[in-house]
Amino acid sequence: DVKVTQSSRYLVKRTGEKVFLECVQDMDHENMFWYRQDPGLGLRLIYFSYDVKMKEKGDIPEGYSVSREKKERFSLILESASTNQTSMYLCASSPRDRYNSPLHFGNGTRLTVT
Amino acid sequence: QKEVEQNSGPLSVPEGAIASLNCTYSDRGSQSFFWYRQYSGKSPELIMSIYSNGDKEDGRFTAQLNKASQYVSLLIRDSQPSDSATYLCAVKVASTLTFGKGTMLLVSP
Repeated sequence: DVKVTQSSRYLVKRTGEKVFLECVQDMDHENMFWYRQDPGLGLRLIYFSYDVKMKEKGDIPEGYSVSREKKERFSLILESASTNQTSMYLCASSPRDRYNSPLHFGNGTRLTVT
Repeated sequence: QKEVEQNSGPLSVPEGAIASLNCTYSDRGSQSFFWYRQYSGKSPELIMSIYSNGDKEDGRFTAQLNKASQYVSLLIRDSQPSDSATYLCAVKVASTLTFGKGTMLLVSP
C-alpha cells in the first residue's frame, strides 16, 4: 500500500513564525501535492510538483512556498504564518501523469496559528 | 476556472436504503473522476474511480458517468451507519484533481 506520511498531526504556531510542514511518500511517486481544507471551502490546491526541484502553483499559492529536494519528500513552507493560515493541510502523491491515477493522501496536519 | 459542484447536504437515509450522491463539473477536458470518502477528522480515502461513460460497480458502490451532461454520481446500496461520512467528488484534468466541497451523508439505524 502507498504510504504518505506527514510529520506532524497537530501544530500550534505563533503569528509571524516560519513554519515547515513535511511530507514523505514511500512509493516512488513522481507527483506530490499540498492541499488545505477548510469548512465550507473544501479542498484547495496550494502547490504541486512533478519531479525533484520542480514546482507549480495551485489555486491558492499566496503566502506559501514549497521545496522538493528529494523525490520522496515535499515540504510546504509558511514564510510568515498568519491566523488565516489556520487550517487542515493534506499532502498527497500519485504516479507520473496517468489520467486514471488517483491521489493518495497523508493523515493531515492540523495547523493552528495564534 | 475548473468547478466541481456538489450538494452540501446533509443527505439523510435510513439503514438499508440507497443513497444517491451527485456531482457536476465545468471542464469538458476532464479525463477521469473519483469519489473519496472522508470521516470527520480523517483524510480522504478513495472509494471509486470512473473514466468512461456508463456505470461501474464495486460491491455496494456504483459510480455513474455522463460526460455529455458533465455529471457523475455515486450510488450506495444497502446503506449502513458506517457509511455516514462526507463524500468528495474529484475531477482530474492533466495531473491535478479539483474537488467538490463534499456531500455529508447520514445513515440512521
